[in-house]
Amino acid sequence: GAVVSQHPSWVICKSGTSVKIECRSLDFQATTMFWYRQFPKQSLMLMATSNEGSKATYEQGVEKDKFLINHASLTLSTLTVTSAHPEDSSFYICSARDPSGGSDTQYFGPGTRLTVL
Amino acid sequence: AQSVTQLGSHVSVSEGALVLLRCNYSSSVPPYLFWYVQYPNQGLQLLLKYTTGATLVKGINGFEAEFKKSETSFHLTKPSAHMSDAAEYFCAVSPINTGFQKLVFGTGTRLLVSP
Repeated sequence: GAVVSQHPSWVICKSGTSVKIECRSLDFQATTMFWYRQFPKQSLMLMATSNEGSKATYEQGVEKDKFLINHASLTLSTLTVTSAHPEDSSFYICSARDPSGGSDTQYFGPGTRLTVL
Repeated sequence: AQSVTQLGSHVSVSEGALVLLRCNYSSSVPPYLFWYVQYPNQGLQLLLKYTTGATLVKGINGFEAEFKKSETSFHLTKPSAHMSDAAEYFCAVSPINTGFQKLVFGTGTRLLVSP
């Protein structure tokens, strides 16, 4: 149980275009999902908390107009990187909290590697 | 702000040897504590967690960790390393001031296992 998927697993795009990444909880309903980015050989940095049916909460320093988050259902959150630039190239990982397993554990997706040319 | 320190960006052991990965947190109030493992180009898999209760926590793949409040530590151990244990390990905390809702990660320790 508690499986989280992400799509796509990797994407290459041109500078200036927008890219949408999907995060799905496959076998549970997640009222809260999280988006992280990870630079090579570095740790995960929380970008934002995605709450179903309400606006996302962004961490300090994260541009909310650049990283659009939508959590339209209990099993799907999307991250759209708008007007992507090479410095946005990174590994983006989502996680979801399974309420039935207690509110303290996050289950992670396999990640999406974004390369902006 | 809450921080997590993982001593040693790389730890090398021989197959069959003891694995010890160190993690210390900075907080006067103990947070929830987690260890995650990440294989190349993959997401994170939960190894074990401590919230309350018994301070010695057993996880998957033979790993365990002990919460020591006096030392603000949560070191990860495994008695005998396998080649398949080679991966990146992250210690994370969920602080009380976030309602135990958010995770703060350490910088990670890469475990190398030699034959």
